[in-house]
Amino acid sequence: NAGVTQTPKFQVLKTGQSMTLQCAQDMNHEYMSWYRQDPGMGLRLIHYSVGAGITDQGEVPNGYNVSRSTTEDFPLRLLSAAPSQTSVYFCASSDWGGLTNTGELFFGEGSRLTVL
Amino acid sequence: GNSVTQMEGPVTLSEEAFLTINCTYTATGYPSLFWYVQYPGEGLQLLLKATKADDKGSNKGFEATYRKETTSFHLEKGSVQVSDSAVYFCALSANSGGSNYKLTFGKGTLLTVNP
Repeated sequence: NAGVTQTPKFQVLKTGQSMTLQCAQDMNHEYMSWYRQDPGMGLRLIHYSVGAGITDQGEVPNGYNVSRSTTEDFPLRLLSAAPSQTSVYFCASSDWGGLTNTGELFFGEGSRLTVL
Repeated sequence: GNSVTQMEGPVTLSEEAFLTINCTYTATGYPSLFWYVQYPGEGLQLLLKATKADDKGSNKGFEATYRKETTSFHLEKGSVQVSDSAVYFCALSANSGGSNYKLTFGKGTLLTVNP
């Protein structure tokens, strides 16, 4: 089983460039999310989606865009990269749904982004 | 808002030592509690979870008990191995209306086990 697949694994950008981090899952999960991981900060939620056509902001959404046109895919776009966006990015999915769900998050292997 | 506080690392132990990583939380409603583990170069994976007060989650020799009276979910293992070296994250999911879709993570604790 592929699970959650992220591409690319590594990327170097110059300030002001744009790029898209891809995320795909094959578990038919409704819930997908993007986190960034920085030293001493733990994981912080950027954006999430509870189904195709539905997205919402997390804790640190500025500078990032998302869309969810299919259940499987949840790309993260950086429109104008800044050095503060240097981080490791994780995509995660879950079969969450409903008020009492306590679903597990399944993570991709991460994408390490450096902005010069 | 919801928050998770876990002991700062790094934690360095010798093989077969006893491990405790403290975790306390603040949440509205009745949260579910999780421990995730991140091995070097990998994404996070669920280690164990507990969904209500007094529940004990366990997996791979690790245990944690959901203590509502002390708002804690401390991770323990009786005898650690070198292969347990990783970063451990405590997290909560709060069952309260539309905010159930977010996990709140602690900052992580790096554990290194020496042979």
